[in-house]
Amino acid sequence: EDQVTQSPEALRLQEGESSSLNCSYTVSGLRGLFWYRQDPGKGPEFLFTLYSAGEEKEKERLKATLTKKESFLHITAPKPEDSATYLCAVTLYGNNRLAFGKGNQVVVIP
Amino acid sequence: DAGITQSPRHKVTETGTPVTLRCHQTENHRYMYWYRQDPGHGLRLIHYSYGVKDTDKGEVSDGYSVSRSKTEDFLLTLESATSSQTSVYFCAISEGLAGSYNEQFFGPGTRLTVL
Repeated sequence: EDQVTQSPEALRLQEGESSSLNCSYTVSGLRGLFWYRQDPGKGPEFLFTLYSAGEEKEKERLKATLTKKESFLHITAPKPEDSATYLCAVTLYGNNRLAFGKGNQVVVIP
Repeated sequence: DAGITQSPRHKVTETGTPVTLRCHQTENHRYMYWYRQDPGHGLRLIHYSYGVKDTDKGEVSDGYSVSRSKTEDFLLTLESATSSQTSVYFCAISEGLAGSYNEQFFGPGTRLTVL
């Protein structure tokens, strides 16, 4: 049973067309939620950590938010260089592992 | 890649042969992890280490062993490679354990093909 579900699996955006990616989790005792960016042929690159519901973090055109059941990664006025797969992962109290979702593949068209 | 290197970056081998992948870090982080990434699956933890000579299993550890004799090096061994172990392997490091808020930083990956 998947603990972390990301949607949509794939997304095509026009340059400048803002959108949001969703990461929902079905676990209790969330200790932290992580967002990563992965480019083809490369390792995941850390973006954000969110710890508690209501928390928000921003980096350039990206903004991550967290509720008790899900997280959103908002991409504002995306550029082609924002094209990547975005990975979400959670870690739990009493557990020393990260559980990853399958990713959101984003393509931004000029 | 946060001072993490993996070698080799690409490898093709035959079923039944032993394979060792190496992860080297220059960050002096205590924790090191090995993941595999396959289409249709998220990153899945194979093994991790919480110190020199201290290791534990992840969710997909069957067919894999690890060793850590120095802080900076973490080796992943496939004793007898099978086609199901064809994958991209990532090493990651963190200062603290995953459950203690410390983010993990990933290496560039090793693409392994088992024929």
